Amino acid sequence: AQKITQTQPGMFVQEKEAVTLDCTYDTSDPSYGLFWYKQPSSGEMIFLIYQGSYDQQNATEGRYSLNFQKARKSANLVISASQLGDSAMYFCAMREDSGGYQKVTFGTGTKLQVIP
Amino acid sequence: GAVVSQHPSRVICKSGTSVKIECRSLDFQATTMFWYRQFPKQSLMLMATSNEGSKATYEQGVEKDKFLINHASLTLSTLTVTSAHPEDSSFYICSARAFIIGHGGRSTDTQYFGPGTRLTVL
Repeated sequence: AQKITQTQPGMFVQEKEAVTLDCTYDTSDPSYGLFWYKQPSSGEMIFLIYQGSYDQQNATEGRYSLNFQKARKSANLVISASQLGDSAMYFCAMREDSGGYQKVTFGTGTKLQVIP
Repeated sequence: GAVVSQHPSRVICKSGTSVKIECRSLDFQATTMFWYRQFPKQSLMLMATSNEGSKATYEQGVEKDKFLINHASLTLSTLTVTSAHPEDSSFYICSARAFIIGHGGRSTDTQYFGPGTRLTVL
């Protein structure tokens, strides 16, 4: 079974509009972390936002917010006021800490294109 | 944010040669670093976890004798692709585990990634 599922291979959004990128996860560990990374065409991976499994509030970082619904095992990324520079691949990832061994699994990614 | 560098950024080599890729954490110490590979239009696949001062932990299906990992110091991990073949051509990315203090003083255990190395084996 996939540990991280991103069902949207590609998304379009109008500049200045908000967009939600979906991510669902699967784990039996009570303690885990969820991340979103941005990968522009240059290839570098840029950390955007983090949500811990025990965090009560949804994480926010500037224009990025994470809609964490623990019961549904979803961790959607919301980008508000989209900018042309937001066009990139976006990866959802999950960290599981099993017996002190940390492993991060990535989803297949969503390609976001911002339209002027 | 924390800075991780990789060198070289791009390498082209002949089949059968070995290639060494360096990953450095520039402004923090990283006891744990990770090596990933990414094929075109695909996600990152974890190859191995590199711990300073101990042997790397390889993921299932990754040949440890082909992909040699050395984490000699708290700021440097190296990946050596031995006897490279065309099927080893890929984008290799390292990351370093770091703890950052975010809003409200909350500590986040995250990974910062290097810019990647594109390996082409002819």
